[in-house]
Amino acid sequence: EVQLVESGGGLVQPGGSLRLSCEVSGFTFSNYWMSWVRQAPGKGLEWVANINHDGTDKYYVDSVKGRFTISRDSAMNSLHLQMNSLRAEDTAVYYCARRDTSGWKVFDYWGQGTLVTVSS
Amino acid sequence: DIVMTQTPLSSPVTLGQPASISCRSSQSLVHSDGNTYLSWLQQRPGQPPRLLIYKISNRFPGVPDRFSGSGAGTDFTLKISRVEVEDVGFYFCTQATQLPLTFGQGTKLEIK
Repeated sequence: EVQLVESGGGLVQPGGSLRLSCEVSGFTFSNYWMSWVRQAPGKGLEWVANINHDGTDKYYVDSVKGRFTISRDSAMNSLHLQMNSLRAEDTAVYYCARRDTSGWKVFDYWGQGTLVTVSS
Repeated sequence: DIVMTQTPLSSPVTLGQPASISCRSSQSLVHSDGNTYLSWLQQRPGQPPRLLIYKISNRFPGVPDRFSGSGAGTDFTLKISRVEVEDVGFYFCTQATQLPLTFGQGTKLEIK
């Protein structure tokens, strides 16, 4: 069974940092691109970042470029998001999502999410 | 960036009746490889999103056949043939033809 479990969310002050993690199981992690997608409270979905299967290609939405870094650890079957210089507008539930390998270009499995609150 | 616009934003539906959600993109979603990477997600209350439809009209495994997708170019539609209680929640269209990946604002499906 495919499982993605996020952790690391919490309350942080503006300008602070946080590192999110996503532990995966039930599939061969190194075969898949992975993504982070966020959802502000009561709002819609926003793609944050993608990383390719071996971590050599990374893509970000403009609003987080230079502040967030996506990475992966294949030995630990984990995906990470290092978030620096956090702003109030980064407050959201952050979902880890798997990109399919069938050429459909979709998020085929999602974690339950971890809440990040940026507030003083 | 490609803007995805959904209508309606709220859809009260009677149980057993059909429902339809439209999604329009600000530019064509036809990729240079000839595919159109438009998909639909469902988000039930308190749950993460779940993939329903990929590449316009293909149901993801396990998705009931009362869900169907159609469209081309910039105009797409998700239809539910007979709404059931478990269909309550938000529906999002999303495109993966071009970075950044973008989503529609979401349509809230509720029972009358």
